[in-house]
Amino acid sequence: DQQVKQNSPSLSVQEGRISILNCDYTNSMFDYFLWYKKYPAEGPTFLISISSIKDKNEDGRFTVFLNKSAKHLSLHIVPSQPGDSAVYFCAASAQETSGSRLTFGEGTQLTVNP
Amino acid sequence: KAGVTQTPRYLIKTRGQQVTLSCSPISGHRSVSWYQQTPGQGLQFLFEYFSETQRNKGNFPGRFSGRQFSNSRSEMNVSTLELGDSALYLCASSRGASGDIQYFGAGTRLSVL
Repeated sequence: DQQVKQNSPSLSVQEGRISILNCDYTNSMFDYFLWYKKYPAEGPTFLISISSIKDKNEDGRFTVFLNKSAKHLSLHIVPSQPGDSAVYFCAASAQETSGSRLTFGEGTQLTVNP
Repeated sequence: KAGVTQTPRYLIKTRGQQVTLSCSPISGHRSVSWYQQTPGQGLQFLFEYFSETQRNKGNFPGRFSGRQFSNSRSEMNVSTLELGDSALYLCASSRGASGDIQYFGAGTRLSVL
């Protein structure tokens, strides 16, 4: 039972354009969401997070949007840079019931072409 | 500030053996979580330790176990290795409070032959 799904295994965009990565979840108990990026041979690196009491959070070029009614979140990267090429993981936690346990999506490989 | 350190980086074992992986968290972090990453299953939660106690557990068989020491360092043990245990094992540390960010180590790549 995949509670967090990233339906696009890969995404390719041109440098300077917007990258939009999507994530859907099924567990209504999830109340905290995070995005991590991962380069080969490294561990996941935290990027940005959002609590379920918000619908948007921005940090520089990165913005995460949360649509609770649709159980959907997205990560926008503007403008995209070649160094952003990595695997992006969406993760969720249900803090009241499961503490800091994270449930991850399968990841989306983002390629930013110069 | 040093990050999360996992040792060893690579391991090769044969079926039936056991293995111990080590994780040193960021200084001041009291929570250590372990995850298994495989191509087919993605990142799966194994367990979390906080102040030397297992606080949370995923859906893995009892062959997977762990412990945490008083200095917050953690070890994970897998007994009676199976081919399907070949994976990247990731450790993450945090202060342990709700909403705290988990910071990951580079992982230990385990190959079971």
